[in-house]
Parts: sequence; C-alpha cells; structure tokens
Amino acid sequence: AQSVSQHNHHVILSEAASLELGCNYSYGGTVNLFWYVQYPGQHLQLLLKYFSGDPLVKGIKGFEAEFIKSKFSFNLRKPSVQWSDTAEYFCAVNEANSGGYQKVTFGTGTKLQVIP
Amino acid sequence: EAGVAQSPRYKIIEKRQSVAFWCNPISGHATLYWYQQILGQGPKLLIQFQNNGVVDDSQLPKDRFSAERLKGVDSTLKIQPAKLEDSAVYLCASRPSGRALETQYFGPGTRLLVL
Repeated sequence: AQSVSQHNHHVILSEAASLELGCNYSYGGTVNLFWYVQYPGQHLQLLLKYFSGDPLVKGIKGFEAEFIKSKFSFNLRKPSVQWSDTAEYFCAVNEANSGGYQKVTFGTGTKLQVIP
Repeated sequence: EAGVAQSPRYKIIEKRQSVAFWCNPISGHATLYWYQQILGQGPKLLIQFQNNGVVDDSQLPKDRFSAERLKGVDSTLKIQPAKLEDSAVYLCASRPSGRALETQYFGPGTRLLVL
C-alpha cells in the first residue's frame, strides 16, 4: 500500500514570508497528485492537482507545486503568504489506472498559521 | 450548484450504541466516497460507490461498519456497535462520473464522539 508523508505538522510564518510544504509518497508507479486545503470551519477543497504534463502546477490563490518524479515528491509553494492562508494543508496521492478509479491516500496534514 | 450535504453535523453516543450518517452528493455525481478522519490524521477512505455498486470497501471494518447507496444517489454509513476509537470526523465526497481527471468534492463532515 502506498503512503504519503508530510514532514511538517505545524508551520508558523509571518505575513509575506515564503512557504514550502513538503510531501513525499511511496508508490513507484504512475500517480496523480493533489493538494487539498481546509480553512477553519470550512470543507476540504482542492488547491491544485497534477495528472500529467508540466510538472510545475499552478493552483488557486497563488499556490504552486512541483512534481519531482525521481524524488517521489510534490512540494507545495507560495512566494508570499497572507493571513488568510491560515489553514490545514493535505497532500494526497492516487495510484493512476486506466479505469479512472481513484483510490486516494492522504497525508497527515500540515497546519499553517500565518501571523499578521 | 449545491455542494455535498451531510447530516447530522455532530453526534455524541456511548460505546456499544449504533449511529448512522447520511450523505447527499452533488446532483448527478455518480461516484461517492466515505472517509474517516481521526484527529491529527488525514482522511482515510472507507468505501467507494460507483452509482449504487461498491467499487472499494477494502478498508471498511465490516464487522461493525456498513454503508449503502440503494438508488445511486444519497448514501448512509452505519456503525453498530460503536467503539471509542470510532471517534472521528466522517467525510463524504463525490465526483461526477468516475473519470480519472475529476476532482472530489467534500461535504462538511459529521463529527462523532463516542464516550
């Protein structure tokens, strides 16, 4: 079974600081990769996803992530965080298959706190 | 477009009692998922439906958990009897038709506390 590791459980940054959240997965085959975000009191929602093509993926609210196949990584980045980015971020991996079936494994999440 | 609806939002029960959760996916979404999210962990898939058929229930503790989606629309997840370790948020998600590129849309979850 695949696993997903998020290295940082809790990150505290000041506004305008740069952000990088680590994500590594264990599956050796073809993968689809996701970052989900959960703002306080809100549902889990998709931030960005990678299925194929350009390994640098841009998402909503200025977030981007880079898929590095050789490192089994999909790190999330943002050049300048805002207080409104305070949330919990989850990396997730799907073992890609031809049938379109998604079995997504989530990481344990990283809580980001941005200080004004 | 209405989102994924779940009820109740909160439930407190004693161990060995039974409990049921309800999910209504986004209209027209064929694929429905139930996840369990224990505090401090990421969501863990319990069961996946495609229309009214089960695609994957390999991580569902079938001795106490059951789920159904009889008409291929809304779904219920039941725990009977509940244990202390079942305390968690139960998330429902749906996506349109099962094609690989589709996004899952999550509901607000039901927070269960077993005493």
